[in-house]
Amino acid sequence: QQQVKQSPQSLIVQKGGISIINCAYENTAFDYFPWYQQFPGKGPALLIAIRPDVSEKKEGRFTISFNKSAKQFSLHIMDSQPGDSATYFCAASADGGGKLIFGQGTTLQVKP
Amino acid sequence: ETGVTQSPTHLIKTRGQQVTLRCSSQSGHNTVSWYQQALGQGPQFIFQYYREEENGRGNFPPRFSGLQFPNYSSELNVNALELDDSALYLCASTQGGAHTDTQYFGPGTRLTVL
Repeated sequence: QQQVKQSPQSLIVQKGGISIINCAYENTAFDYFPWYQQFPGKGPALLIAIRPDVSEKKEGRFTISFNKSAKQFSLHIMDSQPGDSATYFCAASADGGGKLIFGQGTTLQVKP
Repeated sequence: ETGVTQSPTHLIKTRGQQVTLRCSSQSGHNTVSWYQQALGQGPQFIFQYYREEENGRGNFPPRFSGLQFPNYSSELNVNALELDDSALYLCASTQGGAHTDTQYFGPGTRLTVL
């Protein structure tokens, strides 16, 4: 019930391509869905977040698509760049600022 | 940079010892959460402190304990260290009040238990 399942585990994309990472959840009480980017040796940095009352949110090259009925959400990185190479985590929270449940992470490599 | 700082950066301990990790939250933030991130895994929630009181706990044994101080800085204490406690320990601060969702993470403390 508390899990957030993330796929794929790793992803290789050519520069300029679209990177897509998917997450699925079971707990319908989740009401906040952030995506974090983590570089080696650093803490996770918030990229973008969405609430269930909207189906899509875009910030620059990053877009979250949210499907409430399917209990799925995804991160799209447009025009992927080598500097985007990092580990990406989806997460979910049920109580607005409390416990974040993280996915297992996706290691993205963007080839020049 | 988020403004959340952690110390020390790295720490090596032996099994059975005790360790204290420290976190200074971002200015204006009154809520601190601690997470454990094992190698190759997502962070796992340990507990959260709000205005010096524990405000939620994950599935971690009582030998993991914490404190939050009046200036909202925080400590994570782990007693009787086990090999599996080797991980990156992250703290995250949150503004609280009407804007409670966004958690800003520090760089973490890498703990190695030998």
